Amino acid sequence: GIQVEQSPPDLILQEGANSTLRCNFSDSVNNLQWFHQNPWGQLINLFYIPSGTKQNGRLSATTVATERYSLLYISSSQTTDSGVYFCAVEPNPGNTGKLIFGQGTTLQVKP
Amino acid sequence: NAGVTQTPKFRILKIGQSMTLQCTQDMNHNYMYWYRQDPGMGLKLIYYSVGAGITDKGEVPNGYNVSRSTTEDFPLRLELAAPSQTSVYFCASNPIVGTDTQYFGPGTRLTVL
Repeated sequence: GIQVEQSPPDLILQEGANSTLRCNFSDSVNNLQWFHQNPWGQLINLFYIPSGTKQNGRLSATTVATERYSLLYISSSQTTDSGVYFCAVEPNPGNTGKLIFGQGTTLQVKP
Repeated sequence: NAGVTQTPKFRILKIGQSMTLQCTQDMNHNYMYWYRQDPGMGLKLIYYSVGAGITDKGEVPNGYNVSRSTTEDFPLRLELAAPSQTSVYFCASNPIVGTDTQYFGPGTRLTVL
């Protein structure tokens, strides 16, 4: 089956710093999403981004489907950005929304 | 809208007991999913449904059963609980596949002793 690999596994930042999280996937996908799991365990959807670039405030994401990777950019990080960031994909041919998750990147933002 | 709601929030079971995890969404979404998350890991799909009356297995269905009699509800049944089923269980829903992200419930933390 498809493999989803996220890097780095862990990241520690000082408040105000920028970061880039990467998601590589081993086969073509119909769907790619980024999620943030906060320290209380809640999963929050960030982006639905099977291709192209999207921005939402300090966060932006880019997916290059032909090269099988996606990047999540966090600018001017804040302590509330701490938590685990997951990339999830639906392999082709996708028509059910079933997601395969990566292992996540654990981000800690220090004040 | 309350979104996706799950009950209970926490539960401790003894080996061999059974229980049902409840999931309800009020967004009229056709697609619903059950995932489990083991400590330090990503989520894995247990079962999913593309509409009332239609369910199918995901990556890790053994030890679980589901039903979907209405659009709103998608309960997950654990029969003969085992320690390996200790996990956090998330329910999610999707309005239209291929156009939008999934929306997750708050999770149920289950411990089997």
